[in-house]
Amino acid sequence: DAKTTQPPSMDCAEGRAANLPCNHSTISGNEYVYWYRQIHSQGPQYIIHGLKNNETNEMASLIITEDRKSSTLILPHATLRDTAVYYCIVRVPNSGGSNYKLTFGKGTLLTVNP
Amino acid sequence: SAVISQKPSRDICQRGTSLTIQCQVDSQVTMMFWYRQQPGQSLTLIATANQGSEATYESGFVIDKFPISRPNLTFSTLTVSNMSPEDSSIYLCSVGATEAFFGQGTRLTVV
Repeated sequence: DAKTTQPPSMDCAEGRAANLPCNHSTISGNEYVYWYRQIHSQGPQYIIHGLKNNETNEMASLIITEDRKSSTLILPHATLRDTAVYYCIVRVPNSGGSNYKLTFGKGTLLTVNP
Repeated sequence: SAVISQKPSRDICQRGTSLTIQCQVDSQVTMMFWYRQQPGQSLTLIATANQGSEATYESGFVIDKFPISRPNLTFSTLTVSNMSPEDSSIYLCSVGATEAFFGQGTRLTVV
């Protein structure tokens, strides 16, 4: 399984962009990069995913380097409600079938300060 | 998207007893996933539940301790058997391959 490395914690000022880095230097060519977040006492929430092109949705942008060894999740205007643990995950095949399981690392605790 | 309901949301149980956690999805899904989140830790996959076949367990998890049922395409249960304080965790079910959706979890405390 490919591993990911994230800083354990980051701070961001409310209204500013939050840039969360992730290293995945052993990623395989067919593996996607996924981002989830977990707000305290809630289940994880899907944010965005990508293979090699940059992606953007209503929540965030995902920038993947050309060599795919790292990526950055960007929250363009962070709010206090964005305080959460953010997980960068490389999707691997599920041993039981064609669906893919998610292997969670420790993630980055993003604290958005007023 | 999928809406997932878990019951109970929390429970306090005596050691040596068992607890069955229910997971209901608002749409039919092929696979359902059960995770454990120990205090202050990340999520760890326990098993994948397939409808009509035996669940597939991850390394370190066994069927005798965590039996799983999957009677239809919208429902699954996870039982935590013969509980000890070390089983105190949040247990979450999840569905989806491209975008995974998670329930709110069951917070279990074993005393």
